[in-house]
Amino acid sequence: AQTVTQSQPEMSVQEAETVTLSCTYDTSESNYYLFWYKQPPSRQMILVIRQEAYKQQNATENRFSVNFQKAAKSFSLKISDSQLGDTAMYFCAFISGNTPLVFGKGTRLSVIA
Amino acid sequence: NAGVTQTPKFRILKIGQSMTLQCTQDMNHNYMYWYRQDPGMGLKLIYYSVGAGITDKGEVPNGYNVSRSTTEDFPLRLELAAPSQTSVYFCACLRGGSWDYGYTFGSGTRLTVV
Repeated sequence: AQTVTQSQPEMSVQEAETVTLSCTYDTSESNYYLFWYKQPPSRQMILVIRQEAYKQQNATENRFSVNFQKAAKSFSLKISDSQLGDTAMYFCAFISGNTPLVFGKGTRLSVIA
Repeated sequence: NAGVTQTPKFRILKIGQSMTLQCTQDMNHNYMYWYRQDPGMGLKLIYYSVGAGITDKGEVPNGYNVSRSTTEDFPLRLELAAPSQTSVYFCACLRGGSWDYGYTFGSGTRLTVV
């Protein structure tokens, strides 16, 4: 069974600074996708970024980028130029084939003015 | 398009009561899911469905039932509510019709059992 581990329950960052959220996963599958979801206080789950396991190039979406290390089974999220609106819970998630999405326990990020 | 719609948004139940959490999607996807979110525990899968008439258990199915009579609707039934079922419940379906884009989520139902 696949597992996803987020080892940082809480983090904080100053506005305009850069922060990195960690995620590791365990799987025997070769074809899979990894995701970062953001959950602001509104409770809505918002897809931030996705990475296909077969792509060596790290995904980027504006201020959000990932560091995907397939051999190490690591998938960290970097947020550059942090903004107050980035304050949220962030979940790392894994999917392979038609098996349901598996989530980590989340990291609560606070951006401080 | 509304995507995935969940009702109600909030509910307080007394121990032993029953209720149904409604979930409707307008994206015509076969795959739908129910998760619960407890503080510090991430989202855990309760039940999922791969199409009308087909459902399967997830990681934490005890105390819940589901049905899938149509593609659009995937209700979650709580029988004999217990305090351990106090949680936020999310319904989801495949985003874009393929698993490689993850899921589209409803806005969640916050349930408190007292």
